Amino acid sequence: AQTVTQSQPEMSVQEAETVTLSCTYDTSESDYYLFWYKQPPSRQMILVIRQEAYKQQNATENRFSVNFQKAAKSFSLKISDSQLGDAAMYFCAYRSATDKLIFGTGTRLQVFP
Amino acid sequence: NAGVTQTPKFQVLKTGQSMTLQCAQDMNHEYMSWYRQDPGMGLRLIHYSVGAGITDQGEVPNGYNVSRSTTEDFPLRLLSAAPSQTSVYFCASSGGLKETQYFGPGTRLLVL
Repeated sequence: AQTVTQSQPEMSVQEAETVTLSCTYDTSESDYYLFWYKQPPSRQMILVIRQEAYKQQNATENRFSVNFQKAAKSFSLKISDSQLGDAAMYFCAYRSATDKLIFGTGTRLQVFP
Repeated sequence: NAGVTQTPKFQVLKTGQSMTLQCAQDMNHEYMSWYRQDPGMGLRLIHYSVGAGITDQGEVPNGYNVSRSTTEDFPLRLLSAAPSQTSVYFCASSGGLKETQYFGPGTRLLVL
């Protein structure tokens, strides 16, 4: 069975600095998708970024980018120029082409002014 | 475009009571799912559906029933609530298994 591991329960960053959140996963599949979701105090789950496993190029969305290492089964999220509004829980998630979405346990990100 | 909607936002139940959590989407998505979120455990899949009339169990299905009579609606039923079902429940939908899932705002359930 596939698993997703987020080994950092909490992280903190100074405003305007860069922070990287880690995620590793275990799978025997070759075709799958990886996601980072943000959950602010409102509890709404917001998609931050998505990566298809067949794409070698790392996905980027404005200040958010990923470092996708398929062989190492690693999918880290980099947040550049951190803002106070980035403070939230961040969940890494895995989905194979024919299966359900599996979440990690989350990383709580604090942003200090 | 409302996206994924859930009602109620918050509910208190007594042990043994039954209730239905409502979920609706207006994006014509085939795939819908229910998750529960507990502290320190991330989101866990309860039940999912790949289309009207088709449902299947997820990781933690015990104590919950679902049905999918229309594409738009995917209600989650608690037949006899237990304190262990105190959680935040999220409904999600996507255009297919390969597509991004979009989440509703969540329902916070407290079972006394």
